[in-house]
Amino acid sequence: GAGVSQTPSNKVTEKGKYVELRCDPISGHTALYWYRQSLGQGPEFLIYFQGTGAADDSGLPNDRFFAVRPEGSVSTLKIQRTERGDSAVYLCASSLTGGDGYTFGSGTRLTVV
Amino acid sequence: AQKITQTQPGMFVQEKEAVTLDCTYDTSDQSYGLFWYKQPSSGEMIFLIYQGSYDEQNATEGRYSLNFQKARKSANLVISASQLGDSAMYFCAMREGIEYDMRFGAGTRLTVKP
Repeated sequence: GAGVSQTPSNKVTEKGKYVELRCDPISGHTALYWYRQSLGQGPEFLIYFQGTGAADDSGLPNDRFFAVRPEGSVSTLKIQRTERGDSAVYLCASSLTGGDGYTFGSGTRLTVV
Repeated sequence: AQKITQTQPGMFVQEKEAVTLDCTYDTSDQSYGLFWYKQPSSGEMIFLIYQGSYDEQNATEGRYSLNFQKARKSANLVISASQLGDSAMYFCAMREGIEYDMRFGAGTRLTVKP
């Protein structure tokens, strides 16, 4: 695609529910990143994929968070047993190889009520 | 440990004047890259400028320039001739060594006054 696409743009869920956030990177970009941005703060790194594998998942806050990229393109961030503290904008970015600049998507605003 | 520090939560500048947004960083790597992004109220992250640690000259992109002082570990963004559309959050970020993930500072909110 022309840019990084994230769906949904907004998601409201009840505490305790499971959610999936999708990222469709720029076609041909091998590197994909997930960040979380809380209100008034900078993006916080969650996980980085190179191809299908998670090259660095050190930013995932706990085992309720998991991400996959099975075919090396689309990625899904999965959050189990959501908590109110998970409310944030989840940003996805991709880059051609990983060593170059990022292109960010518009983000998914997650609200846990 | 905080790797990127932006000490100015908010800045004001008069339209058409220049403004400097501060960024200091901490790394033990010799090879690293420094980035600035703009985030308008719409939420998208827009890449502005990049400086590599081995680049001897300060990076420039149109009205944006990066004042890179390696010994002080600072990478300040200078915006010349501010425009109303420059009002946004600005984030400094660093990518270290062979790592491909980028770490961001807390940001500075810039407001351009007419």
